[in-house]
Amino acid sequence: KNEVEQSPQNLTAQEGEFITINCSYSVGISALHWLQQHPGGGIVSLFMLSSGKKKHGRLIATINIQEKHSSLHITASHPRDSAVYICAVKVYGGATNKLIFGTGTLLAVQP
Amino acid sequence: EAGVAQSPRYKIIEKRQSVAFWCNPISGHATLYWYQQILGQGPKLLIQFQNNGVVDDSQLPKDRFSAERLKGVDSTLKIQPAKLEDSAVYLCASSLETGKTAKKLFFGSGTQLSVL
Repeated sequence: KNEVEQSPQNLTAQEGEFITINCSYSVGISALHWLQQHPGGGIVSLFMLSSGKKKHGRLIATINIQEKHSSLHITASHPRDSAVYICAVKVYGGATNKLIFGTGTLLAVQP
Repeated sequence: EAGVAQSPRYKIIEKRQSVAFWCNPISGHATLYWYQQILGQGPKLLIQFQNNGVVDDSQLPKDRFSAERLKGVDSTLKIQPAKLEDSAVYLCASSLETGKTAKKLFFGSGTQLSVL
């Protein structure tokens, strides 16, 4: 079992829909990152959070440390939101933290 | 602010050849990471530098992969000799992180390697 699990693996939505992507982890963490990767493009960090909730434009990220779960929400989705969304957790590891990635959620938003 | 620079953007080589990738992190970022991302998978850490020292290379296949960050700034990753299974995107990332306090990560656009 992977230490970081994302669901769903694939998601197709209609433009304007509210989207939720989930991330569950099984290890102690110091922080959790949500990343966005467009086809053929690099990875962009969307959020880094260790508690509560963060909002940036139409994106909202929440984390529940007790339940070891985080969600990424996209409101009023748009085709340009189509990308792979990756959850990554920072875990305690000796002198520095290690980053463990989920396998990503492929989102396609159709017009 | 300039981002993380990587080159080349694409590379196609035959198996058993050698290849090198270059990364220039954001100025002032102490920590530099090299990741390997195979199609359909999440990135896998190959090596992590803090300044010019290696802090984690446990998943680096040291028989064929090597990396250096001699002056604590830019870094090179080399594969010698390459195998078919090395075909992947090689991502470089940097952050201000110097200890246990997590900092935001900045990624380069990656080098897509195809080994034929």
